[in-house]
Amino acid sequence: QKEVEQDPGPLSVPEGAIVSLNCTYSNSAFQYFMWYRQYSRKGPELLMYTYSSGNKEDGRFTAQVDKSSKYISLFIRDSQPSDSATYLCAWSYGNNRLAFGKGNQVVVIP
Amino acid sequence: EAQVTQNPRYLITVTGKKLTVTCSQNMNHEYMSWYRQDPGLGLRQIYYSMNVEVTDKGDVPEGYKVSRKEKRNFPLILESPSPNQTSLYFCASRAGQSNVLTFGAGSRLTVL
Repeated sequence: QKEVEQDPGPLSVPEGAIVSLNCTYSNSAFQYFMWYRQYSRKGPELLMYTYSSGNKEDGRFTAQVDKSSKYISLFIRDSQPSDSATYLCAWSYGNNRLAFGKGNQVVVIP
Repeated sequence: EAQVTQNPRYLITVTGKKLTVTCSQNMNHEYMSWYRQDPGLGLRQIYYSMNVEVTDKGDVPEGYKVSRKEKRNFPLILESPSPNQTSLYFCASRAGQSNVLTFGAGSRLTVL
């Protein structure tokens, strides 16, 4: 019911590069899709959420959902060292329960 | 400041010694939840509570207990901790039907 795949990385990119992260899922009942960002020694914080197929932009961040192919993506443009963190995809199901992917560690090298 | 506060942040204990990790939120949120985070396994839900006196099992509830006697507090109880409960624990809360979880800073527990 909650199956999702997320490549844990780590992913190292030079500053200014575009970061692309993906999660695939198998359950069509998933309702909302989210990306959380977790800095080292901190709790996760919500970065973006969406419930429909298509793109949603917020500054340098774009969340993309393709419900027909069952994948969600996060793109970070003009990546900065401050973007170095673990990014977790998440989804809601059932009675507003949330479940998370394993997380993808990103390192942006100055 | 709106926040979720967990204590202790770090704890080393021994097998079988009961411990409680406290969680408190000041946002009047109905929903609260506990997660554990392990390398390679990600965040897994232990227990959650939709409101006062309403709790339910998550995906990995074995070895844990919770209670929700007040809206702001949601303690996690390990009656007889074992080494496989060594982990990083997060408490989180959200309002009603919102999907926006606010997490605490985490509690790193080591059971020897």
